[in-house]
Amino acid sequence: GAVVSQHPSWVICKSGTSVKIECRSLDFQATTMFWYRQFPKQSLMLMATSNEGSKATYEQGVEKDKFLINHASLTLSTLTVTSAHPEDSSFYICSARAPQGSDEQFFGPGTRLTVL
Amino acid sequence: GDSVTQMEGPVTLSEEAFLTINCTYTATGYPSLFWYVQYPGEGLQLLLKATKADDKGSNKGFEATYRKETTSFHLEKGSVQVSDSAVYFCALSDRFTGNQFYFGTGTSLTVIP
Repeated sequence: GAVVSQHPSWVICKSGTSVKIECRSLDFQATTMFWYRQFPKQSLMLMATSNEGSKATYEQGVEKDKFLINHASLTLSTLTVTSAHPEDSSFYICSARAPQGSDEQFFGPGTRLTVL
Repeated sequence: GDSVTQMEGPVTLSEEAFLTINCTYTATGYPSLFWYVQYPGEGLQLLLKATKADDKGSNKGFEATYRKETTSFHLEKGSVQVSDSAVYFCALSDRFTGNQFYFGTGTSLTVIP
């Protein structure tokens, strides 16, 4: 099956710094990727939809200037948490839409962000 | 709008017990339905899926049947193992909403020996 990787798998940073998380589709091209945030013991919250070559579409309540998304190629999307604060600490998960004709999404393993 | 309602947990079962996790949905069109499993500290893995009414998805002893008349997709397993301990998410993908995924709140399952 299709594989999606994320890097790093965990990161600890100081308050005020920026953190970049990468999401890669390893064996297929993904025109659309999704970024989710998951709080402890809660479900996934869709943050934004990332389309290759165009601006991301953010869900209501998600600050686009704080969570910068770039989808520069068909296999890579990045999420940058700018000026991170402790309340940004969370588990961030990306997914990639399956190749055309399928309604499935393939999920990355997630990135645990801890802001001190 | 589309939504998924999932049985709240946590659920604790003894090994070899029967498992049912209820899931019902609301959708604009004719969605595909999924069960994902999340082990501690990991991302989501697809457990099974069904794309149309009366389809049964199955994997690793787990089953779920797409019931359009009751808008349900309940997850079942006849005999759980300790290794099944995880969080289970029911989800739907609806072409009418651009295949956006809608997740349930997740059900934590702990299986004790």
